[in-house]
Amino acid sequence: KAGVTQTPRYLIKTRGQQVTLSCSPISGHRSVSWYQQTPGQGLQFLFEYFSETQRNKGNFPGRFSGRQFSNSRSEMNVSTLELGDSALYLCASSLATSGSSYNEQFFGPGTRLTVL
Amino acid sequence: DAKTTQPTSMDCAEGRAANLPCNHSTISGNEYVYWYRQIHSQGPQYIIHGLKNNETNEMASLIITEDRKSSTLILPHATLRDTAVYYCIVRGRYNNNDMRFGAGTRLTVKP
Repeated sequence: KAGVTQTPRYLIKTRGQQVTLSCSPISGHRSVSWYQQTPGQGLQFLFEYFSETQRNKGNFPGRFSGRQFSNSRSEMNVSTLELGDSALYLCASSLATSGSSYNEQFFGPGTRLTVL
Repeated sequence: DAKTTQPTSMDCAEGRAANLPCNHSTISGNEYVYWYRQIHSQGPQYIIHGLKNNETNEMASLIITEDRKSSTLILPHATLRDTAVYYCIVRGRYNNNDMRFGAGTRLTVKP
């Protein structure tokens, strides 16, 4: 079956702009998580959505937000872009239901955002 | 913050076993050990996970010490395509899906 897809794969923006990234999870997966990866900070958890609700949130400013639709597709938005927001943004989906003891996550290829 | 410690880098000869260690001395009783790897420019890929017993699948084996304070991921016959960054992650049994990645180990398989 198809894997996690992310669009666009590459994006260039300038400071102060906003950006929306999209993630389509594996069919049947209800949990979608977002991560930011930079050379300096590594992989950092942004937030997780499950059944259209944000279930968990990492330590990022309010400029980073997300949402999930009824078909489990998810978007994340970054407003007022800063140079430091340049990163690879990864989306991961999981079957996990609430309280599941096995939460294997499947990652997409990522969206590489460059802020100039 | 990551709850694991891994060597920064390791080398392995092609065809030999690659043994990647991970320390997780503060692991609690209901926490699992997960391993993922990330090949350059791709998203992380799940490898294996375990609680206290040794585990094996088609990709690798996971050996967890009896006190559960450390573990070793074993790739039995490393190939050049196994060159990647390997992440050891500790997470709760009923945790939500926030994976706390550390810096990982950069494994280079050499011909």
